[in-house]
Amino acid sequence: GIQVEQSPPDLILQEGANSTLRCNFSDSVNNLQWFHQNPWGQLINLFYIPSGTKQNGRLSATTVATERYSLLYISSSQTTDSGVYFCAVTAVSGNTPLVFGKGTRLSVIA
Amino acid sequence: DGGITQSPKYLFRKEGQNVTLSCEQNLNHDAMYWYRQDPGQGLRLIYYSQIVNDFQKGDIAEGYSVSREKKESFPLTVTSAQKNPTAFYLCASIGGASNTGELFFGEGSRLTVL
Repeated sequence: GIQVEQSPPDLILQEGANSTLRCNFSDSVNNLQWFHQNPWGQLINLFYIPSGTKQNGRLSATTVATERYSLLYISSSQTTDSGVYFCAVTAVSGNTPLVFGKGTRLSVIA
Repeated sequence: DGGITQSPKYLFRKEGQNVTLSCEQNLNHDAMYWYRQDPGQGLRLIYYSQIVNDFQKGDIAEGYSVSREKKESFPLTVTSAQKNPTAFYLCASIGGASNTGELFFGEGSRLTVL
């Protein structure tokens, strides 16, 4: 099945710093989503982005489907950005549910 | 408000007991999913259902069972055969075409087996 790798696994930032999270996948995809899991465990949808670029406030995402990666940008980070960021994909080749990466754990310190 | 409701949020059970976790959605979504998350880990798929009265095993289905008698409901039973049932369980549903639509999650159920 499709493999999803996220990097870095852990990231510590000072409040106000910018960061880039990466998601690599091993096959062509027709679905890619980014989620933020907050400290209480809730999974929040950030972007539905199988291709192209989207922006929502301080967050933006780009998926380059032909090169099999997606990037999540966080600018001017805040302590409330802390948590785990997951990338999930579905391969074009199989009608299977979303496969999740292991996540990037982000800690933003004041 | 439209959404996915999971209950209970916290559950404690003795070893050897079956437990049923509820998942209800009012989003009119066809496809529903159960994921398991262990501390510090990613999400692993237990079961999914793309239509009423049909469901498929995910990657870690052993020791679990599901039913899908109504579009809105997809309960998960953690049986006594599940060797390590203590985990965070997340229910989700997808809008639009199955697997290519946008996935939405409930708030999760934390199961602790003593």
